Amino acid sequence: QVQLQESGPGLVEPSGTLSLTCGVSGGSISDAWWTWVRQPPGKGLEYIGEIYHSGITNYSPSLKSRVTISVDKSKNQFSLEMTSVTAADTAVYYCARSRTKMFDPWGQGILVTVSS
Amino acid sequence: QTVVTQEPSFSVSPGGTVTLTCGLASASVSNNHYPTWYQQTPGQPPRTLIYNTNTRSSGVPDRFSGSILGNKAALTITGAQADDDSDYYCAIFMGGGIYVFGPGTKVTVL
Repeated sequence: QVQLQESGPGLVEPSGTLSLTCGVSGGSISDAWWTWVRQPPGKGLEYIGEIYHSGITNYSPSLKSRVTISVDKSKNQFSLEMTSVTAADTAVYYCARSRTKMFDPWGQGILVTVSS
Repeated sequence: QTVVTQEPSFSVSPGGTVTLTCGLASASVSNNHYPTWYQQTPGQPPRTLIYNTNTRSSGVPDRFSGSILGNKAALTITGAQADDDSDYYCAIFMGGGIYVFGPGTKVTVL
């Protein structure tokens, strides 16, 4: 079965760039859309965006100006970059597969803290 | 900006029934929004319960059901169990690859 695993720095400085990668195992990244969702501590889920294996992307309007999602088919992984981060971007970041308009499975999530 | 509404909290007795709803501030929710329901416990990623309004995800007990009630999507838990004590989030597909989550409903079973 498909499994996803987020990786990347757990601490990013304010005004810096957050960079995360999601590795996909047990299946091909060419099978679906792939999504990033985040959850600030103690708060709800927020959709960030998605990418198809061809490179087509869709982003949340509220984050579009700061976010780039890319895919590396050779490594079966996809990535998230978010620029100009502030403390408000502190969150657990999840990657997930998107199929039939739902997200499943999900990675375990990675906590990214924005702080100096 | 699209606003999705959910009840902040519900309390249900073991064996009881509870219905959570998911609405749009400025429109009716329909099947075309592919409403999806996720369950989340502390420290864990969300788990998909219901997608495409009323399709149960693999392994989800049949006490969970989804529907459209009036102008909202609904998740009903029939015969609540202690394990159902969780946060529940709905997600709405707005078209163009854009999804919006609701703020979540905390369900307490006691």
